[in-house]
Amino acid sequence: QVQLQESGPGLVRPSQTLSLTCTVSGGSVSTGGYYWSWIRQHPGKGLEWIGYIYYSGGTYNNPSLKSLVAISADASKNQFSLKLSSVTAADTAVYYCARAVVDGGTYSYFDYWGRGILVTVSS
Amino acid sequence: DIQMTQSPSSLSASIGDRVTIPCRASQSIGTSLNWYQQKTGKAPKLLIYATSILQSGVPSRFSGSGSGTDFTLIISSLQAEDFATYYCEQSYRSPRTFGQGTKLDI
Repeated sequence: QVQLQESGPGLVRPSQTLSLTCTVSGGSVSTGGYYWSWIRQHPGKGLEWIGYIYYSGGTYNNPSLKSLVAISADASKNQFSLKLSSVTAADTAVYYCARAVVDGGTYSYFDYWGRGILVTVSS
Repeated sequence: DIQMTQSPSSLSASIGDRVTIPCRASQSIGTSLNWYQQKTGKAPKLLIYATSILQSGVPSRFSGSGSGTDFTLIISSLQAEDFATYYCEQSYRSPRTFGQGTKLDI
């Protein structure tokens, strides 16, 4: 059974960098066929895909977040991480890490999710 | 970006009802459409992928249909544990996008 767990500070100051880590168990971030993903949900709102990293190290980010997002992975710890720079109050959200299956190059879906971590941006 | 529209944003139903939840894409996405269920304070849970393929462990009362731009999640006989918010998501083209959700309540 694959499990994902987010960790990091729950409070970040405006203009600082939000840093979160997702620890994976029951699976490996080094295995092909999966994108290791970050998704967020603003309070009371819908879901927003932030980006993901492939086992080869390639990353894909949501252009709406421009170059503020950096996603990396540490295979030795079986973790992947999110850094979101220059945060504002609009970045206050629950942040989820999730695994996206790449099914034969045609379909993809998020099959395992972490519980989520609320990050508040406030001074 | 491909916009995903879910309307209505909320839906009232009763135990035992057959419920249909629509989702529309702003352009054709083939059958690259997934459905998730989210309960309050919990992470989303995958129900259906590729429009109509039931994720392992999901009850058979859930089904999905559609192609191109119009899709539907169907719950054949609503159970108490089905009251939640349902999101569609397209995986046809990056960036991945979700609908705004349909909240199903009593």
